[in-house]
Amino acid sequence: DQQVKQNSPSLSVQEGRISILNCDYTNSMFDYFLWYKKYPAEGPTFLISISSIKDKNEDGRFTVFLNKSAKHLSLHIVPSQPGDSAVYFCAASAGDSWGKLQFGAGTQVVVTP
Amino acid sequence: DTAVSQTPKYLVTQMGNDKSIKCEQNLGHDTMYWYKQDSKKFLKIMFSYNNKELIINETVPNRFSPKSPDKAHLNLHINSLELGDSAVYFCASSQDLSGVSYEQYFGPGTRLTVT
Repeated sequence: DQQVKQNSPSLSVQEGRISILNCDYTNSMFDYFLWYKKYPAEGPTFLISISSIKDKNEDGRFTVFLNKSAKHLSLHIVPSQPGDSAVYFCAASAGDSWGKLQFGAGTQVVVTP
Repeated sequence: DTAVSQTPKYLVTQMGNDKSIKCEQNLGHDTMYWYKQDSKKFLKIMFSYNNKELIINETVPNRFSPKSPDKAHLNLHINSLELGDSAVYFCASSQDLSGVSYEQYFGPGTRLTVT
């Protein structure tokens, strides 16, 4: 039962443009959401997070938007850079889950010159 | 200075063997985790320990046994390896379970191949 879904397995974007990655979830108990970035042969690296009490969190070029009613979140990367080419995982956690993260399947982002 | 380290990085072994993967974190975190990334690339939690105490134990075969000698180390021992155990195993750590910080820091992964 996959409670966190990333329906786009891949995304290609030109350097300098905006990358928009989407994530949907089904569990209404999730109250904390995270994005991780992963390069080949490396572990996932924490990128940005958002609590369910907010609808937006920004950190430099990265902004995460949360729409609780739609159970949807998105990650915006502006402007996209070649070093952003990686797999991006959406993850979610419920407050009573002892830190258990549920991950989506990931979206492969390729930033082209 | 590596925050979360795992050894070995690659492990190739035959069915039926017993193997261990070691994990160490130098972040001073209280909680450590093991995740499995299967062929479909899903990351799924297997276990978590908080201050050497088992907190999360997902539906993992009992051939998998985690051991935490201290809060900086969480090892994973696998008995009687099967072909389906082939995957990448990631160790992770987080500051605590209080909910203040859910961010988990991952090791580089151990690619296990069972032949």
